[in-house]
Amino acid sequence: GAGVSQSPSNKVTEKGKDVELRCDPISGHTALYWYRQSLGQGLEFLIYFQGNSAPDKSGLPSDRFSAERTGGSVSTLTIQRTQQEDSAVYLCASSLLAGQAFSGANVLTFGAGSRLTVL
Amino acid sequence: RKEVEQDPGPFNVPEGATVAFNCTYSNSASQSFFWYRQDCRKEPKLLMSVYSSGNEDGRFTAQLNRASQYISLLIRDSKLSDSATYLCVVNSGTGGFKTIFGAGTRLFVKA
Repeated sequence: GAGVSQSPSNKVTEKGKDVELRCDPISGHTALYWYRQSLGQGLEFLIYFQGNSAPDKSGLPSDRFSAERTGGSVSTLTIQRTQQEDSAVYLCASSLLAGQAFSGANVLTFGAGSRLTVL
Repeated sequence: RKEVEQDPGPFNVPEGATVAFNCTYSNSASQSFFWYRQDCRKEPKLLMSVYSSGNEDGRFTAQLNRASQYISLLIRDSKLSDSATYLCVVNSGTGGFKTIFGAGTRLFVKA
């Protein structure tokens, strides 16, 4: 698509429920990132996918969080047994490539985010 | 220590002022550097890349000092529309190419 698309844009859920957040990156972009941003805070790296390589999951805060990327395109971030501290905006970004020094190929384009509220 | 550190501000400046933001990064293997801009309740957007020799884009000048692991952004002739949070971004090259964001520096430009 023309840009990075995320859904849902807003999600309100009850503590203990599972949620799935979807990201549809720019067509042809091989790298896909998930970040989390709590109110008034910076972006917290969660996970990134690069082509067919094993994803870097080093930012996932607990084993309740998981993500997959099917067919090198759409990605789903799943949060199981949600807690109130999971409330945040979850931002997805994609880039053409990752790791190209001084290249525009690893410039990130963000989606508008999914705002998650856990009651 | 955070991988990318910035002064959170806020910086409150009058229109027309020159303002500078600094950023330090901890991973000496970092390969590429950027400044992004984030408006309130919006997603971050690329402002400019940062090159070793320094680069300029209109009123914005970015500098990189690899020896000190330091990046800067200078904004000249500030406009009201420059009010935003400025994010320092580093792409790390060890064991993968993870893109890490600083927490951001808030700028308010007042008439």
